[in-house]
Amino acid sequence: DTAVSQTPKYLVTQMGNDKSIKCEQNLGHDTMYWYKQDSKKFLKIMFSYNNKELIINETVPNRFSPKSPDKAHLNLHINSLELGDSAVYFCASSQDGSFSGANVLTFGAGSRLTVL
Amino acid sequence: GQNIDQPTEMTATEGAIVQINCTYQTSGFNGLFWYQQHAGEAPTFLSYNVLDGLEEKGRFSSFLSRSKGYSYLLLKELQMKDSASYLCAAADSNYQLIWGAGTKLIIKP
Repeated sequence: DTAVSQTPKYLVTQMGNDKSIKCEQNLGHDTMYWYKQDSKKFLKIMFSYNNKELIINETVPNRFSPKSPDKAHLNLHINSLELGDSAVYFCASSQDGSFSGANVLTFGAGSRLTVL
Repeated sequence: GQNIDQPTEMTATEGAIVQINCTYQTSGFNGLFWYQQHAGEAPTFLSYNVLDGLEEKGRFSSFLSRSKGYSYLLLKELQMKDSASYLCAAADSNYQLIWGAGTKLIIKP
């Protein structure tokens, strides 16, 4: 059983399009996250949701919008895609948001987005 | 600003020992994490240190010195499957994780 699953794994699209990436976790965790990993391999947090409330919202363009229908799902919707959005997007979850030693991040397998 | 530094790439021989260093500068500190990421896969948790000293977990050990803003990951008895990127991340005063770019470890036979 996959703990954190995200779809699609690969996404190739044209500039200007709108796309979504879905994420689901079956760990019963309270907090879910979206990370962007660029070509230089830095992981940058984009959003996190704790019990359906946004608790971190880094300075990402408002073209990116997280949507959480329930605490097991956190989807990422991207409007008007740009070339610079090409990256690998990782969904993750943790027991809660405190990042204590017991609350490690469990990542999904990643979604590689390529914008042409 | 907040920053994590770790070497970009290291090479080691199967069966040997390798130490991957990480220095950090954060606003406050709530612990240091190491994650392993194989190419094309998700990062997976390896270790967490919040107190000074060495934590040993099988072939992997992690060390922290808070006064020096320094950590290392020590891998013993290297195996080919240890070829991966190793990501260092420090939690700041708000428990936000600051990530390094990762160290790509290449294991040669």
